Amino acid sequence: DTAVSQTPKYLVTQMGNDKSIKCEQNLGHDTMYWYKQDSKKFLKIMFSYNNKELIINETVPNRFSPKSPDKAHLNLHINSLELGDSAVYFCASSQETDGEQFFGPGTRLTVL
Amino acid sequence: GEDVEQSLFLSVREGDSSVINCTYTDSSSTYLYWYKQEPGAGLQLLTYIFSNMDMKQDQRLTVLLNKKDKHLSLRIADTQTGDSAIYFCAESKAGFQKLVFGTGTRLLVSP
Repeated sequence: DTAVSQTPKYLVTQMGNDKSIKCEQNLGHDTMYWYKQDSKKFLKIMFSYNNKELIINETVPNRFSPKSPDKAHLNLHINSLELGDSAVYFCASSQETDGEQFFGPGTRLTVL
Repeated sequence: GEDVEQSLFLSVREGDSSVINCTYTDSSSTYLYWYKQEPGAGLQLLTYIFSNMDMKQDQRLTVLLNKKDKHLSLRIADTQTGDSAIYFCAESKAGFQKLVFGTGTRLLVSP
């Protein structure tokens, strides 16, 4: 009965590749988010979607493209991966745009 | 601008009280939060406080807010080894939207 799930849990890839991380929530929430946590544990919001529409985009390079096929899914596609993209990426969801956020377990991305 | 700072590390013995501190710069913050991150896991909301409150208590957790000094603290009474984790404070201006997280404090509880 996982609430917010992410796949894969670990992702190791070469510089220049394109990769996707998937997120699904079974809580019936309307709003979903992507956060990036760097090696120093600094956590920062990247995107927020409400009912499949983008509402927050925090100066993220356009190599990062979130895609929300439906309210329960928010996937993150990253083109031309760079070393600095190595981080843990967390997905979260909330009932409304100002509701408590529930976090997924994270995806650790390592770019070699 | 928005800036949230925490001390990086705190070590306590089991049974002691732990106090984790946080300072923030944005005086328009309306909500302040404490999250817990266990190893290899996502963040879990522990508690939050509105900016018009000074204190909030929830079982072993006590949150103190000094709005004048922009200082937030989390006190954990009778700290247990299971409390070992990274604790993040966060702030936002409107509900839970656009959380701005602190740098995180790693709490280590030894037996």
